[in-house]
Amino acid sequence: AQKITQTQPGMFVQEKEAVTLDCTYDTSDPSYGLFWYKQPSSGEMIFLIYQGSYDQQNATEGRYSLNFQKARKSANLVISASQLGDSAMYFCAMRELIQGAQKLVFGQGTRLTINP
Amino acid sequence: EADIYQTPRYLVIGTGKKITLECSQTMGHDKMYWYQQDPGMELHLIHYSYGVNSTEKGDLSSESTVSRIRTEHFPLTLESARPSHTSQYLCASSDPDRLGPLATNEKLFFGSGTQLSVL
Repeated sequence: AQKITQTQPGMFVQEKEAVTLDCTYDTSDPSYGLFWYKQPSSGEMIFLIYQGSYDQQNATEGRYSLNFQKARKSANLVISASQLGDSAMYFCAMRELIQGAQKLVFGQGTRLTINP
Repeated sequence: EADIYQTPRYLVIGTGKKITLECSQTMGHDKMYWYQQDPGMELHLIHYSYGVNSTEKGDLSSESTVSRIRTEHFPLTLESARPSHTSQYLCASSDPDRLGPLATNEKLFFGSGTQLSVL
């Protein structure tokens, strides 16, 4: 079963608009962490934002915010005032305890293209 | 700013060659990881290490092997490369000790990756 699901293979957004990237997850562990990473065409993975399963408030980091809906098991990334440099692949990931080891599992990714 | 380095950045080799992908970090992190990523696809964990002399298989079966003789160094080796090994290989590290064993906010720092093409 897919642990992390990103249903949008690609998205096209006009510059300066806000964009929401979807992520749903599946776990029976009450303690878990959710991450978003950005991967530009150069290939490196850049950490954007983290949300813990027990955090009461949605995480924010500058123009990034995480819309965490625990009951629906969704952790959507919201980018406000998009910029051309935001064009990249975006990966949602979940950290959970599997067989005594903390592991980070990634979704399939969403390719975001910002148009001028 | 992450201090984790991978070399080479790109590698094109012929079938049957032995190759080693280098990964080094200067942050003193105990845990290190190797992920494999096909173009436009998700990352799959192939190896990880809790520290010196510790190596574990990841979720995706891989014919590669790893070693961890020094904290800062986590090389990946393919004894006989094949076209099916063509992929991007990403190395990462994290430092969970200060967060406790059950911490879920353990952030990974990634290298720039090695794009491997086996002809």
